[in-house]
Amino acid sequence: SQTIHQWPATLVQPVGSPLSLECTVEGTSNPNLYWYRQAAGRGLQLLFYSVGIGQISSEVPQNLSASRPQDRQFILSSKKLLLSDSGFYLCAWSVQGTEPVSPLHFGNGTRLTVT
Amino acid sequence: GQNIDQPTEMTATEGAIVQINCTYQTSGFNGLFWYQQHAGEAPTFLSYNVLDGLEEKGRFSSFLSRSKGYSYLLLKELQMKDSASYLCAAMDSNYQLIWGAGTKLIIKP
Repeated sequence: SQTIHQWPATLVQPVGSPLSLECTVEGTSNPNLYWYRQAAGRGLQLLFYSVGIGQISSEVPQNLSASRPQDRQFILSSKKLLLSDSGFYLCAWSVQGTEPVSPLHFGNGTRLTVT
Repeated sequence: GQNIDQPTEMTATEGAIVQINCTYQTSGFNGLFWYQQHAGEAPTFLSYNVLDGLEEKGRFSSFLSRSKGYSYLLLKELQMKDSASYLCAAMDSNYQLIWGAGTKLIIKP
């Protein structure tokens, strides 16, 4: 069966510090991968998605970046965090090219607090 | 533009039935998803509808009307553990998900 691992679960970082969140998927090949952010009491905001190694689409301009160095690894980074980067970060995966479409499956999330 | 509307909060009684509505406007349509999200946790997949009608899964059912841009999630025999936020998401013609802000469901004994 497929599993998704996301770490760390919680993170407190000062403004201006770097960020690296990692997500890995097991039990599937060539998944679609996603990074979402959820502010308190708000809906999910898509940050990045990837359909393959090195292929990253950015949905929202911000000081974050994403990389997919391996098929089942997705990394969210920032060189300098802002206060507004605080939130709940969720990695998700789905199967490509299925009919009907595949639902997204989420990792456990990382709660980031920028102080 | 693309939009999803769902109520912010609903309250129901343990053992009762509740219906959570969702209306959507998207550029094209490739289905509608419902997710459950407990406080502090990640969303978990509940249901997917792409054709009109009702899909039943145990105590949970989901309905879709494509002509009306409307869906609902029906929860029967409510249990305290059903207290959570319920997220509606519609998939557009580019297979991108448009998410609602979620409906917080409060279950009272």
